[in-house]
Amino acid sequence: RKEVEQDPGPFNVPEGATVAFNCTYSNSASQSFFWYRQDCRKEPKLLMSVYSSGNEDGRFTAQLNRASQYISLLIRDSKLSDSATYLCVVTTSGTYKYIFGTGTRLKVLA
Amino acid sequence: DGGITQSPKYLFRKEGQNVTLSCEQNLNHDAMYWYRQDPGQGLRLIYYSQIVNDFQKGDIAEGYSVSREKKESFPLTVTSAQKNPTAFYLCASSGQSSGNTIYFGEGSWLTVV
Repeated sequence: RKEVEQDPGPFNVPEGATVAFNCTYSNSASQSFFWYRQDCRKEPKLLMSVYSSGNEDGRFTAQLNRASQYISLLIRDSKLSDSATYLCVVTTSGTYKYIFGTGTRLKVLA
Repeated sequence: DGGITQSPKYLFRKEGQNVTLSCEQNLNHDAMYWYRQDPGQGLRLIYYSQIVNDFQKGDIAEGYSVSREKKESFPLTVTSAQKNPTAFYLCASSGQSSGNTIYFGEGSWLTVV
């Protein structure tokens, strides 16, 4: 089983739609969680950290479910510019090892 | 501006040649990393360094070498022993000053011709 798993997609959604991605992790000792966005042929960029209580940044909401070992990303009112690959990243406290999911590709259609 | 600078952005290598990719950061981060990404694939860790003059192999270290003589710099050499080096290479760093979030440089595209 992979340490971090994501549905590769693509998720094709119309503009204005709400879309959600999940990411499961296998190490129950995982402490820090992040969502990154990667555009085609570019470097990954931090979208948001994921906190135990959940957090929201504009149209984006991230949540953590420790019991079921997954994190989620919800995007409301999708824009064409949201089209990208979304990477889930997990790390364990006290280590320098960041585990990346293979990403979920989102296409927002006009 | 604070950040991570990689160079060159595009590099073409003949078979049998060694090439070195540069990575410099001014974020005062202790840890630095090199990842490889193949088209449509996830990131794979090549090497990482937690402190100056120390580094560890990642998941795919064969055919690569690194050094960490300065906190700011973590160059990656792709040697002729790397049989399939064509890929997108990403340098990253992390540190307590940024809440242990990992940040990336813009990447280097290496093509073997």
